[in-house]
Parts: sequence; C-alpha cells; structure tokens
Amino acid sequence: GAGVSQSPSNKVTEKGKDVELRCDPISGHTALYWYRQSLGQGLEFLIYFQGNSAPDKSGLPSDRFSAERTGGSVSTLTIQRTQQEDSAVYLCASSLGQGRTEAFFGQGTRLTVV
Amino acid sequence: AQSVTQLGSHVSVSEGALVLLRCNYSSSVPPYLFWYVQYPNQGLQLLLKYTTGATLVKGINGFEAEFKKSETSFHLTKPSAHMSDAAEYFCAAFLIQGAQKLVFGQGTRLTINP
Repeated sequence: GAGVSQSPSNKVTEKGKDVELRCDPISGHTALYWYRQSLGQGLEFLIYFQGNSAPDKSGLPSDRFSAERTGGSVSTLTIQRTQQEDSAVYLCASSLGQGRTEAFFGQGTRLTVV
Repeated sequence: AQSVTQLGSHVSVSEGALVLLRCNYSSSVPPYLFWYVQYPNQGLQLLLKYTTGATLVKGINGFEAEFKKSETSFHLTKPSAHMSDAAEYFCAAFLIQGAQKLVFGQGTRLTINP
C-alpha cells in the first residue's frame, strides 16, 4: 500500500474485554514496530518484528499484551482483559529494515477503555 | 541501559528566534539517529536522519542537526522559528548493538510565541 494503515482508527471498549489492533505495513518493509503513546507521554516501545520473528518483546507491558505477524506483512496487537490504563494511542511503523532507513508511521489507533 | 534523552519536555521561543531542541543518546556504539515531528492530531513524520558520513545533516522545513560523538548528542536546530513549527518533536535512535530496535525520547513540545 501507499502507507502504513492501522485499523480501527478509534476503539472504545469496556474494561475486561479483549481488543485486536491491526497494522498493514508498507509493501516490502521487513521491519515492523508497535509503540504506545499515552497522553502527554513519549513513544513507549512495545515490540519489534523483523520478518515474522520478534527479536525483542521486552516492551510488552504485561502478559495481557501479545502480537503476531504473519507472512511478513500484517501484524495484530492483542490486548486481553483490557484495563483503563491501557487507554492510549497505539502506533505502528514499518521500515525496510537494517535500521538505516526511516520508519514510516501509521495514523494510530486511539483506544479508550471505559 | 541504552536510551534516548530529550532535555526539556517543553520549549517556548519567539517567532524568528533560534530553535534548539536537545537530544542525547546512551550507547557504546553510535546508533543511527533520527528526528521526527508530530503536528497536532497528525502522525509522525521524519525531519532528518544521521546514519554515516557528514555529521551535520539538513532536513525539511529548514531544520538541521549535528551528530557529536564526543558529546553523544544529536541536537536539532533551526535559525528562525515560524509559527508553523509548533509541534511535538521526537528524537529516536536505532540501536545497532545488542537488541536492535528503534527507541524514542520522551518528546519536546515546541511552542512559538508571536
């Protein structure tokens, strides 16, 4: 695609429910990142994929968070039993990999847990 | 731990004045370095990047940054601020040692006074 696409753009969910956030990276980009941006905060690293594998999962806040990437393309971030503190904008980015090239960001998914 | 630190969560300058946003990294091996900008209600876009070669890099909208290995810094500057520069600015580093990943500083909110 022309850019990184994230869906949904907005999600309101009840506390305790599970949510899935989707990221479609730019075609051909091997690296994919998930970040969380809370109000007034910076970008918190969650997880990084190189191809289908995730060399670094250290940023996932708890075992309620998981992510997968299939076919080296689409990625899904799943949050189980959502809590109010999970409310944030979840950003996805992709790049050609190797670190030298810029990461292109999607518009994000704004998650609100009520 | 390897990290990126932005000094000053808020910076305010007058229109026409010099803009200086500070960024320091912590890594024994110099990383690849980036500055991103986020305008209100928009996604992140790349301002400029340093990978190898010339240490003074020029980006979009008149911004530039200088990589100083001895100071582990990558400060962002613009000689004359415009009202349209008001935004959140993020410094980022792709760590090429250990777990390779793109990490961000906490961001600096730039306000331009008329």
